[in-house]
Formats: sequence, structure tokens, C-alpha cells
Amino acid sequence: GQNIDQPTEMTATEGAIVQINCTYQTSGFNGLFWYQQHAGEAPTFLSYNVLDGLEEKGRFSSFLSRSKGYSYLLLKELQMKDSASYLCAVSPDSGGYQKVTFGTGTKLQVIP
Amino acid sequence: ETGVTQTPRHLVMGMTNKKSLKCEQHLGHNAMYWYKQSAKKPLELMFVYNFKEQTENNSVPSRFSPECPNSSHLFLHLHTLQPEDSALYLCASSVQGSNTEAFFGQGTRLTVV
Repeated sequence: GQNIDQPTEMTATEGAIVQINCTYQTSGFNGLFWYQQHAGEAPTFLSYNVLDGLEEKGRFSSFLSRSKGYSYLLLKELQMKDSASYLCAVSPDSGGYQKVTFGTGTKLQVIP
Repeated sequence: ETGVTQTPRHLVMGMTNKKSLKCEQHLGHNAMYWYKQSAKKPLELMFVYNFKEQTENNSVPSRFSPECPNSSHLFLHLHTLQPEDSALYLCASSVQGSNTEAFFGQGTRLTVV
């Protein structure tokens, strides 16, 4: 089976750093996605981690530990526009989205 | 604008109505998807089309009927829905068989009354 856990809600202050965790137990693992979804909008791709370690893209970084079944999304220099839901999703193979399982998402609120 | 367009954005329908959701992409993708997103629940994959052929139907009730006339267009036909079907319905597209970025539409907010 597939089980993905991430916190339901988080609050952080503008300009700060926030870490959103995701743990997974899945039958098969190829990689882990992070998507951002603003309220009422389409989810948009942030990252896809296959190998262990940290991948940085500007203010956003994503970390993966395959042995621990753990990932996190790190947001630096938070801005008000970063208020959104962040979806963690796991792919068991490299064959596309047919078998990708999404978590329930973490709703991040950035406050002044 | 993500390259995937869904219409309508909002839909209210009665349980005896028939309606259709439309999705369109001109990204050159050959895989398209319908997802259901309910409050406090994960995105649920409903249907997958690869090269216009349906390859997955994740035990979706027959009151939801997909149609993919070509690789750029996807429809979801709805009839005799239930109130619990009220949700955000998202369309997405990607390169078939690849874990590269999927592009989602903004969704149709469906309310069944």
C-alpha cells in the first residue's frame, strides 16, 4: 500500500525559513514530487527528487532520504505569496503519473 | 496560465442533470488525467489517457464517463451525480511514461445539489 504523511497546516513569518516534512511508506519508490497549489489555482511543479540529498532552486530546496522514507521542502526568505498548500507525492516507478500517490498537502500561512 | 485550460471554472448541478467538463492542452503532451480533489483528502486519480487510449480507471463510478477525442482534448461527462461528488476536478497533462513535470488546469469547482 501507499501511505504519505505531511502536516496539515503550518504558520511562518515573512522573511523566515520554514521546513515542510513528508514521510512515506510505499510499495516501490522511484522519486518524490513537491507541488505548490495556491487556493483556487492549479498545482504547479516545484521539484522531483530521485537521489538522496538536497536540491536547491532559488529560495526553494528539496531534500530526500530514501533509506528513511523522508523528504522535506525548505522555503527561505518567506514571502506573503508563498502562502499556499504544498503537496508531496511519491512515484513507485519511472513510468509516469499513473501510479503517483499524493499526500493530503500542507497548508502554509505566511504572516507579516 | 499553465497551458492547460479547463471549463467551466464553477458548476452547480442537480442530481438528475447531465453536464460535461472540458479540458484542453496544447503543450504537445500525450498523456492526460482527471483528478478529484476533496477537502482534507489527497488528490485522487480518476482516469488516465495515454495516446488517447484509456489506460487506468481507478474504480470510478459509472456516473463519471471520460472521453478523449484527440491528444489535446479531454472531457468528463457527468450524470446522476450525488452530493458527495461535490469537489474540485482537476485535469492534468504530461509526457507519457515520464516523471517530468505535469501541468494542471485550474480545475472545475463542482457542487451537486
